[in-house]
Amino acid sequence: SQELEQSPQSLIVQEGKNLTINCTSSKTLYGLYWYKQKYGEGLIFLMMLQKGGEEKSHEKITAKLDEKKQQSSLHITASQPSHAGIYLCGAGLVKDSGGYQKVTFGTGTKLQVIP
Amino acid sequence: GAGVSQTPSNKVTEKGKYVELRCDPISGHTALYWYRQSLGQGPEFLIYFQGTGAADDSGLPNDRFFAVRPEGSVSTLKIQRTERGDSAVYLCASSVPTGELFFGEGSRLTVL
Repeated sequence: SQELEQSPQSLIVQEGKNLTINCTSSKTLYGLYWYKQKYGEGLIFLMMLQKGGEEKSHEKITAKLDEKKQQSSLHITASQPSHAGIYLCGAGLVKDSGGYQKVTFGTGTKLQVIP
Repeated sequence: GAGVSQTPSNKVTEKGKYVELRCDPISGHTALYWYRQSLGQGPEFLIYFQGTGAADDSGLPNDRFFAVRPEGSVSTLKIQRTERGDSAVYLCASSVPTGELFFGEGSRLTVL
């Protein structure tokens, strides 16, 4: 079974609409990462969350890590065609003095924004 | 360069051949990760190094896959007796402890 579940798997929204992508685990999430990937290209770092209850924003994208650190959400306000792509959440499931071991990724959420 | 460098960017090989993929991380990054990504899927964890040692190799699919990082910097992913199912993009990432993962552009492996 997948250690990180993302929902929805795909999303089509009208330009200007808000949307939310969720990332859920049955284990505690350490170092929760959000990345964006365009087809055939590399991963673009969006945000990193580490503390329960933490929330970060960049331009029109906001990410939150819930208090129990088992779920994160990514919210896009007033979506634009430039937001289209695949959104990936990643998390360390083990933490030691060296950092986050085994940073695993969800299967991704494919976002299309219709002008 | 300042980023994570992966070579080759593309590799086409025949079934049964041996392949090496190289990752040159950002200088000073002690953590190094290898992933495999197939079309339409998220990156699949393969192995994690902290310094020279493999702290977690639980994602390596079988004993045909092996990775080394002898001096705690450059890492090589080695695949023996390649199979068609090994075809994928192999991604490398490096980071400082508990920091952002910086990804390379990947090595696309095609096994004919």
